[in-house]
Amino acid sequence: DVKVTQSSRYLVKRTGEKVFLECVQDMDHENMFWYRQDPGLGLRLIYFSYDVKMKEKGDIPEGYSVSREKKERFSLILESASTNQTSMYLCASSLRGTSNEKLFFGSGTQLSVL
Amino acid sequence: GENVEQHPSTLSVQEGDSAVIKCTYSDSASNYFPWYKQELGKRPQLIIDIRSNVGEKKDQRIAVTLNKTAKHFSLHITETQPEDSAVYFCAASIRDTNAGKSTFGDGTTLTVKP
Repeated sequence: DVKVTQSSRYLVKRTGEKVFLECVQDMDHENMFWYRQDPGLGLRLIYFSYDVKMKEKGDIPEGYSVSREKKERFSLILESASTNQTSMYLCASSLRGTSNEKLFFGSGTQLSVL
Repeated sequence: GENVEQHPSTLSVQEGDSAVIKCTYSDSASNYFPWYKQELGKRPQLIIDIRSNVGEKKDQRIAVTLNKTAKHFSLHITETQPEDSAVYFCAASIRDTNAGKSTFGDGTTLTVKP
């Protein structure tokens, strides 16, 4: 079974701090994603990556950056955390290819910025 | 970019009744339409998906229909049970891109009353 692991379940940070959210998958998936989940707004894509060192902006990239130095690890970085970045962050991965679009999600990181 | 609208935002049914959730999409190039179920406090998980070359797919009590002309697809749950209570997300994506970038609807909170 695919396992997508997010390093923290809950995180509390202060405004202006640099925040790192880590995600690791163990099934050799090419594609990795970071979503943000807010009540009533569904899942909004922040960034995604389809290969090592490759990254693409999603729908709401402002205030975020990402890093993918190894295939299994995809990091989301909040350069200077703000209160409006308080949210649930979900990492996901999938195989590349037209027959494998299923997303496997991590358990999520609930980030509170005070 | 793709825009996915999902209705209703909340749905309450009696156990044993049917539930229908509808989604519309804007990009006629989208050709893969998954549905994810997220139970309270858990990660979203794929429950059924449909590709644009078929009009309907069924898996036990769950079915999905697709109308490409009208650009809408629906999730049908029959004989609902309390364990069907969850948030359901529809999504749309183009499968022949490098990364399976999915655009999600805002979610439907389904409550099944015993």
